[in-house]
Amino acid sequence: KNEVEQSPQNLTAQEGEFITINCSYSVGISALHWLQQHPGGGIVSLFMLSSGKKKHGRLIATINIQEKHSSLHITASHPRDSAVYICAVRSKEYGNKLVFGAGTILRVKS
Amino acid sequence: DAGVIQSPRHEVTEMGQEVTLRCKLISGHNSLFWYRQTMMRGLELLIYFNNNVPIDDSGMPEDRFSAKMPNASFSTLKIQPSEPRDSAVYFCASSQILGQGNYGYTFGSGTRLTVV
Repeated sequence: KNEVEQSPQNLTAQEGEFITINCSYSVGISALHWLQQHPGGGIVSLFMLSSGKKKHGRLIATINIQEKHSSLHITASHPRDSAVYICAVRSKEYGNKLVFGAGTILRVKS
Repeated sequence: DAGVIQSPRHEVTEMGQEVTLRCKLISGHNSLFWYRQTMMRGLELLIYFNNNVPIDDSGMPEDRFSAKMPNASFSTLKIQPSEPRDSAVYFCASSQILGQGNYGYTFGSGTRLTVV
């Protein structure tokens, strides 16, 4: 079992739809990151969470430490949101490095 | 702040040649990570440094790979000799050491390496 599990693996949505990507992890963490990577592009850190909820534009990230679960929501999705979204955790158990989920490939159709 | 700066952005080289990838950290960050990304294996951590000291190099695939951090702001990843299976995108990332402050993580734009 991977330490970081993401779902779904692939997601296709129509423009304007509300999107949720889930991430579950199995260890105690110091921080959880949501990353975005466009095809052929670099990796951008969208959020870093250790508790609660953060919002940036149409993106919302939440984390429940007790349940070891985080969600990334995209409201009013747009074709430019099409990318791979990666959940990653930092934990004292893993030293200083990020442990990655497998990623969710999102495609938003117009 | 210019962010994490990697060079070159693209590199095409012949098998057997030496390749050197470069990374400049964000000012104030003291952890440096080298990752490799391929379609087959996704993102893999190769090595990371805290305060210029290599902490975990268990991801370095072979002795052909070596990484150095000659000062607090700069690192190199060298492949000698290069092989076609080394073709990948190599990312550098920097942060502050866990427990020492902001855990923000910043990635460079990556170097796309093609070995022919």
